[in-house]
This record gives sequence, structure tokens and C-alpha cells, in this order.
Amino acid sequence: GIQVEQSPPDLILQEGANSTLRCNFSDSVNNLQWFHQNPWGQLINLFYIPSGTKQNGRLSATTVATERYSLLYISSSQTTDSGVYFCAVNTGANSKLTFGKGITLSVRP
Amino acid sequence: EPEVTQTPSHQVTQMGQEVILRCVPISNHLYFYWYRQILGQKVEFLVSFYNNEISEKSEIFDDQFSVERPDGSNFTLKIRSTKLEDSAMYFCASSSTNNEQFFGPGTRLTVL
Repeated sequence: GIQVEQSPPDLILQEGANSTLRCNFSDSVNNLQWFHQNPWGQLINLFYIPSGTKQNGRLSATTVATERYSLLYISSSQTTDSGVYFCAVNTGANSKLTFGKGITLSVRP
Repeated sequence: EPEVTQTPSHQVTQMGQEVILRCVPISNHLYFYWYRQILGQKVEFLVSFYNNEISEKSEIFDDQFSVERPDGSNFTLKIRSTKLEDSAMYFCASSSTNNEQFFGPGTRLTVL
């Protein structure tokens, strides 16, 4: 099956700093989503981005499908951005999502 | 904004007992999923459901697991005889034809 690799595994930032989180995948994808898992364990949808670039406030994401990677940018980080960021992909419409292992982000005040 | 809901938020059970986890998907969605996340690990797919039947299942989803859509709104996951290793967070998700999956808040299952 498709492999999803996320890097770096852990990231520590000072409040106000910017960061880039990476997701590599091993095959062509139909869907790519970024999630934030908050301290209560909830998976919050950030982006549905099988290709192209999207922005939502301080967050933006870019997927280059032909090169099989996606990037999540966090600007002016806040302590509430802390948590685990997951990338997930599928290879067919409405089929199962395969998740990466996640990136643990800690934003220090 | 419509959202996926799950009950209970936390379930504690004894090994060997049956549990039923409940989900109410977003009302106009047609595709339903269950995933699980063992503490500290990544989210794993269990099963997908469309048009009142299972469309895909993982090797984790063995004979101890079953899913049902008993009415027009609920989607349930049953574990017939729980094992210690079933302890995990269980997420329900749903999607419409546009392929984006939305997740519920999860049910934390603890098997003692």
C-alpha cells in the first residue's frame, strides 16, 4: 500500500516563529488532508489539498502531486498551535485514508 | 456547521465484554468510516461503509468487529469480545462525493 512519511517527527518553536511541516507519499493520490490533533485527541480538519495551494489565516498548504509531497506552513506560531499534525492520503475516491506518523509540535511562550 | 458526533466519549469495559460505539455522521454524507488510534501511534483504518454494506476493511477488522447503520442517522461499531489490545481511541468519519473526510471527536475505549 501507499507509504506516508512526515518530517520532522518533533518540532519545538518559540511563540511567533514560522515553521514548515513536510509530508512525502509514495504513489499518486486522489485526496490529501492535513489534520491537527489537539490535546483532547480531536482530529481537526485543516486542509483538503490533493494539489495546489490553499491558505487559511496563519496556515497555508501546498501539494505538488507530481513530486509526491505536501507542505504545511505555520506562520507566527501560537501556543494553541501545539499538538500533533497528521497528513493523510487516499488513492481512490472516498477510499480509506492512510495516515503518516504525525509531527509533534510544541510552541513555547 | 454540521459535524460528526460520537458517543460515548469514554468507555471502560472488562475484557471479554461486548461494546457498541455510536456515531452520527454528517446528514448528507454517503460514505462512513471507522478508524482507531492506539495511544501514541498513528491513526489506522478499520472499515468503510457505503450503500448499506462494507466497501473496504483492514486486517485489523476481524470477526470480532461489525458495523451497522440501524437507521437513517446512526452508524455503529460493535466489538463482540473485547481484548486488552482493543484499548484505543476510535474515530468515526464521513464524507460526501467530494472525498473530504470529516472526523468525530472520538471514543476512548479502555479495556481492563
